[in-house]
Amino acid sequence: KQEVTQIPAALSVPEGENLVLNCSFTDSAIYNLQWFRQDPGKGLTSLLLIQSSQREQTSGRLNASLDKSSGRSTLYIAASQPGDSATYLCAVRGNSGGYQKVTFGTGTKLQVIP
Amino acid sequence: DAGITQSPRHKVTETGTPVTLRCHQTENHRYMYWYRQDPGHGLRLIHYSYGVKDTDKGEVSDGYSVSRSKTEDFLLTLESATSSQTSVYFCAISDEGGFDTQYFGPGTRLTVL
Repeated sequence: KQEVTQIPAALSVPEGENLVLNCSFTDSAIYNLQWFRQDPGKGLTSLLLIQSSQREQTSGRLNASLDKSSGRSTLYIAASQPGDSATYLCAVRGNSGGYQKVTFGTGTKLQVIP
Repeated sequence: DAGITQSPRHKVTETGTPVTLRCHQTENHRYMYWYRQDPGHGLRLIHYSYGVKDTDKGEVSDGYSVSRSKTEDFLLTLESATSSQTSVYFCAISDEGGFDTQYFGPGTRLTVL
């Protein structure tokens, strides 16, 4: 059974700092990994999708990497801003236990302090 | 933002009553999903659909049923609501099942008393 872990559960940083969020998964047989942000009381907003054949994806100040062999992904946020405050979730789509099986981590709650 | 709406957005009901949640999309995406989000558990898949009248179970499907009679609508029904089904329910869509981004709706907060 795939398990997805995100550590730390919460993180507080001063504005302008570069930061890394971590996501680890136990089963490396995956199709892709997706990073989301969730604002309080809102749905999930997709940030980046990395296919299993890719090593990284970039969008603006965000860069996500994937290392399937070690079961890890990182989300790098450059020059953090207060507007980046949210909960960040990673989700792994596996290819065992059902084609549509997506396993979510429980998230890292980020607070960027002005 | 992807055109996904959920209704109702909030609902309070009593144990034993039937409840139906609706997800509506304007993107003509083939795949639709129902998740629930609970503290400490993250999001868990309830059911999904890969086309009109084509549905399958997710990991927490007990007590839930779904229907999809049109591409744009995916209904989640709690036949007899229980307090353990108090949760936030999210609908998601994707164009291709395994290789495409999932887009999420705004969620429905359901409280079962």
